[in-house]
Amino acid sequence: GAVVSQHPSWVICKSGTSVKIECRSLDFQATTMFWYRQFPKQSLMLMATSNEGSKATYEQGVEKDKFLINHASLTLSTLTVTSAHPEDSSFYICSARDRGRNTIYFGEGSWLTVV
Amino acid sequence: KNEVEQSPQNLTAQEGEFITINCSYSVGISALHWLQQHPGGGIVSLFMLSSGKKKHGRLIATINIQEKHSSLHITASHPRDSAVYICAVLPQAWTSGSRLTFGEGTQLTVNP
Repeated sequence: GAVVSQHPSWVICKSGTSVKIECRSLDFQATTMFWYRQFPKQSLMLMATSNEGSKATYEQGVEKDKFLINHASLTLSTLTVTSAHPEDSSFYICSARDRGRNTIYFGEGSWLTVV
Repeated sequence: KNEVEQSPQNLTAQEGEFITINCSYSVGISALHWLQQHPGGGIVSLFMLSSGKKKHGRLIATINIQEKHSSLHITASHPRDSAVYICAVLPQAWTSGSRLTFGEGTQLTVNP
């Protein structure tokens, strides 16, 4: 079964509103979580790295004020897309590092459509 | 030149065929993942390799660290194997915050 749960699986929101996506590790503590976005037929693009208890590290070109990442606990990271625009419509996916097993697991992903 | 290159980009096979997808990388790595992404978007990690060979069902993954090359093989392919297969590498000395580097993916279509 899934060891990283992402919610919601899909969401439609209006332009200008904010939407939050959650990423939970179910049976391990994830000190590091990663957020990606993927456009159709393109590769995964890392947006930011989230470390528990500290500020996220954003990749070049990713607006930190637009894509708010919070990693308040060892099992939960959230991505909030603020003031969403249609061009933010994409597939967002998280992954979490299990240091104990030295591997990473992926969430199921979230489809965001901004109308 | 991408740090991780996959070939082929697209692959169409008939059911039952033996399939090979290749991944070459240019950086030192601590491990390599083979991922499977279905049309719905969800990603499954098929293998994590740091040396040698792993087998799971009809899937076999090999890695040659010296040649910086890995292959994913599918024996007796089936239409349900149709998906995008992605190679991703973890850098050496993977510390907190280090990131995966992904290949572009291989779109596999297996026809009945």
